[in-house]
Amino acid sequence: SQKIEQNSEALNIQEGKTATLTCNYTNYSPAYLQWYRQDPGRGPVFLLLIRENEKEKRKERLKVTFDTTLKQSLFHITASQPADSATYLCALDVYSGNTPLVFGKGTRLSVIA
Amino acid sequence: GAGVSQSPSNKVTEKGKDVELRCDPISGHTALYWYRQSLGQGLEFLIYFQGNSAPDKSGLPSDRFSAERTGGSVSTLTIQRTQQEDSAVYLCASSSTVSNQPQHFGDGTRLSIL
Repeated sequence: SQKIEQNSEALNIQEGKTATLTCNYTNYSPAYLQWYRQDPGRGPVFLLLIRENEKEKRKERLKVTFDTTLKQSLFHITASQPADSATYLCALDVYSGNTPLVFGKGTRLSVIA
Repeated sequence: GAGVSQSPSNKVTEKGKDVELRCDPISGHTALYWYRQSLGQGLEFLIYFQGNSAPDKSGLPSDRFSAERTGGSVSTLTIQRTQQEDSAVYLCASSSTVSNQPQHFGDGTRLSIL
């Protein structure tokens, strides 16, 4: 069956360290992968999109990698801050174009000062 | 500019009642999506509208759920004869017509069935 897994439900790290979140998938061949941030009581907010032919994408302190052989994406936040505390969702576009995304359950990140 | 707007933000109703949830997408966005998020769960796709095409209803959990989109803009999700398992946050998102674009979400309607 098709499945998306994010490495853990919760991740605690010390302020200033690099947070690494993992998204693994099976039985999909996504055209691209997106990462979203969701704060309590709010809708998800788009962060980064990476295409299947891209290995890495960066935006400020954020970095995403995409390994279609391993069927895995890694999401890194460098120099983490307490304000980075949120739930981070990965989402796959399995059909390409404007189609519904398939979301993982998310990883709740807590950055401790 | 204005983002995706959803109303009401909270809805409490009795089991067996019908509810209507509204979504105002970003102006000019042709794609509109409804998702459901239950406590501790990921986002579950419900229904998707793209321009004037027939909607993709493949995610609707039962025939008690329906949605329409009038004039290619505002959408209404209707749940008839609500059940307690319908309690969840219902999220709406929109995206532009260009492919491989991010989805822009509203803050959802928190539905509680007593």
